[in-house]
Amino acid sequence: NAGVTQTPKFQVLKTGQSMTLQCAQDMNHEYMSWYRQDPGMGLRLIHYSVGAGITDQGEVPNGYNVSRSTTEDFPLRLLSAAPSQTSVYFCASSWTVNEKLFFGSGTQLSVL
Amino acid sequence: QQPVQSPQAVILREGEDAVINCSSSKALYSVHWYRQKHGEAPVFLMILLKGGEQKGHEKISASFNEKKQQSSLYLTASQLSYSGTYFCGTVRGGTSYGKLTFGQGTILTVHP
Repeated sequence: NAGVTQTPKFQVLKTGQSMTLQCAQDMNHEYMSWYRQDPGMGLRLIHYSVGAGITDQGEVPNGYNVSRSTTEDFPLRLLSAAPSQTSVYFCASSWTVNEKLFFGSGTQLSVL
Repeated sequence: QQPVQSPQAVILREGEDAVINCSSSKALYSVHWYRQKHGEAPVFLMILLKGGEQKGHEKISASFNEKKQQSSLYLTASQLSYSGTYFCGTVRGGTSYGKLTFGQGTILTVHP
């Protein structure tokens, strides 16, 4: 039982590069979300999805894009990486927003 | 809008009690509590739905005052394993439904 799988675990980018953080879950959860975690800022919601084909913006969506073509996958795209996007990124899933969130192990991203 | 947690940090000796508070300026549908150890993903503790209920186990419990839009997490007879950062997350109703936003976190340190 894999749960929520995030890849890669570590990534270094140069300013202006683009990349996709992958997130997959095998629990048939409808709700999926992406957070970024910076020291002293807690977990900030980037984007979320309540089901396949449905996505919405969180608190800090600028510079990020998401899609939800299947129930299992919820990739996060950085369109043109900036140093301000250096952070730890967590993907999470649950059956609904009012149930236990299962977190992935995180991706540590550095943008130089 | 992120909920506000207090205090920002707590230092305890084993066996002592602690209370962590979480408040919002907006009406809430649910409050979530998570604990995160350094370098790990957050781990679910409990969820409280509007209705003013109190939930939890013998040593870790929480309450939700719907009228005041406040929740408190109670840790009694603390153990070394309680050390970590505690986050409250809130879900508002209306057009914000679906967004689970977290506070900045409370760092709890338990010493022998």
